[in-house]
Amino acid sequence: GESVGLHLPTLSVQEGDNSIINCAYSNSASDYFIWYKQESGKGPQFIIDIRSNMDKRQGQRVTVLLNKTVKHLSLQIAATQPGDSAVYFCAENTGGSQGNLIFGKGTKLSVKP
Amino acid sequence: KAGVTQTPRYLIKTRGQQVTLSCSPISGHRSVSWYQQTPGQGLQFLFEYFSETQRNKGNFPGRFSGRQFSNSRSEMNVSTLELGDSALYLCASSWRDTTYNEQFFGPGTRLTVL
Repeated sequence: GESVGLHLPTLSVQEGDNSIINCAYSNSASDYFIWYKQESGKGPQFIIDIRSNMDKRQGQRVTVLLNKTVKHLSLQIAATQPGDSAVYFCAENTGGSQGNLIFGKGTKLSVKP
Repeated sequence: KAGVTQTPRYLIKTRGQQVTLSCSPISGHRSVSWYQQTPGQGLQFLFEYFSETQRNKGNFPGRFSGRQFSNSRSEMNVSTLELGDSALYLCASSWRDTTYNEQFFGPGTRLTVL
């Protein structure tokens, strides 16, 4: 498959464990945040989003936490599975057109069976 | 419903040439955005089109241009290719232009400039 990035931070977890991926965003005016998952050879896939008026949002096996005080975003994946292995990106939108997303550098999640 | 499609999937060009990439959004989606992905710079926004109008543009030189057709299909063009233009070019669509709408990405076009 295609490499989406070199020298990415890597998180290695055991299958069944919980994973926490962190992201520091850049703009205090950002009001919408998204986590994407990118598997080798594919485009990014939406996982979960959160608006700045919330500090937590839950999906299926995933939770996003937002700390606006320190401009920090985290993605928690419960009971991590081998299929969760991918590169995870956070993205922020400062408002206006949602086409102008600013992406983080990404974290590579590796799940050991 | 078919996803976002991009053609071609792979492309090899030489310096100085120009290239056109195509993106077909999900049916009913009217917004198309383009991104460049490289190992060094990550994912960077190129431009966004909505109803055939460019609404936003990223910080890329004028060699990068795009357009959107009445059926929402979009093309991007890179003229006078440079080695540094080698990248994965991603297209994303969403059904309207307001914030808080999920973008759906295509598989990308891998451009290699020799």
